Amino acid sequence: EAGVTQFPSHSVIEKGQTVTLRCDPISGHDNLYWYRRVMGKEIKFLLHFVKESKQDESGMPNNRFLAERTGGTYSTLKVQPAELEDSGVYFCASSRPLETQYFGPGTRLLVL
Amino acid sequence: AQSVSQHNHHVILSEAASLELGCNYSYGGTVNLFWYVQYPGQHLQLLLKYFSGDPLVKGIKGFEAEFIKSKFSFNLRKPSVQWSDTAEYFCAVNGVSGGYNKLIFGAGTRLAVHP
Repeated sequence: EAGVTQFPSHSVIEKGQTVTLRCDPISGHDNLYWYRRVMGKEIKFLLHFVKESKQDESGMPNNRFLAERTGGTYSTLKVQPAELEDSGVYFCASSRPLETQYFGPGTRLLVL
Repeated sequence: AQSVSQHNHHVILSEAASLELGCNYSYGGTVNLFWYVQYPGQHLQLLLKYFSGDPLVKGIKGFEAEFIKSKFSFNLRKPSVQWSDTAEYFCAVNGVSGGYNKLIFGAGTRLAVHP
């Protein structure tokens, strides 16, 4: 069974630019989550999809962040325009309902 | 508010030493508890989890954790560490009510094991 994959693995952009992160969950996992770890801090929840619907987006920092999951398969997280404080590692996870979340390798975002 | 506290940010041990990493959580209802580990250059992966039943949980690679409800704790233990246990360890919790799956993580503990 293939694991959760994320693309790109690294991204370096300038303040004000746009970046789109992609997550492909494990096949058959309806639940998809985005988390973020800012350097030195804890991993924080951003949002949760069930299939294509946003179940909980309480962790999204502000309206510069937009997450989508068209068709209930892969998901994208767009940051527009990026700010310095958006730098960090963005993790995606997927799961079956109420089961263990499996994490992807993360995307390391650096905003200069 | 829900929170998870890991007591040690950095731990340095020699091989064969015993390990105990502290984790306390704050949550007003029934919880599921997890320890995740991230080895250098690898994904976060599940070490062990507690959903219900026996509060002493066995995980992979000889790790275990004990859920003490009265202390809101879920400490991770290993009787004898190896160099390959060098990694960052994360305690996490989620609330059970309403099928709520959001994980709340502690800040992580970086473990360095010297040969």
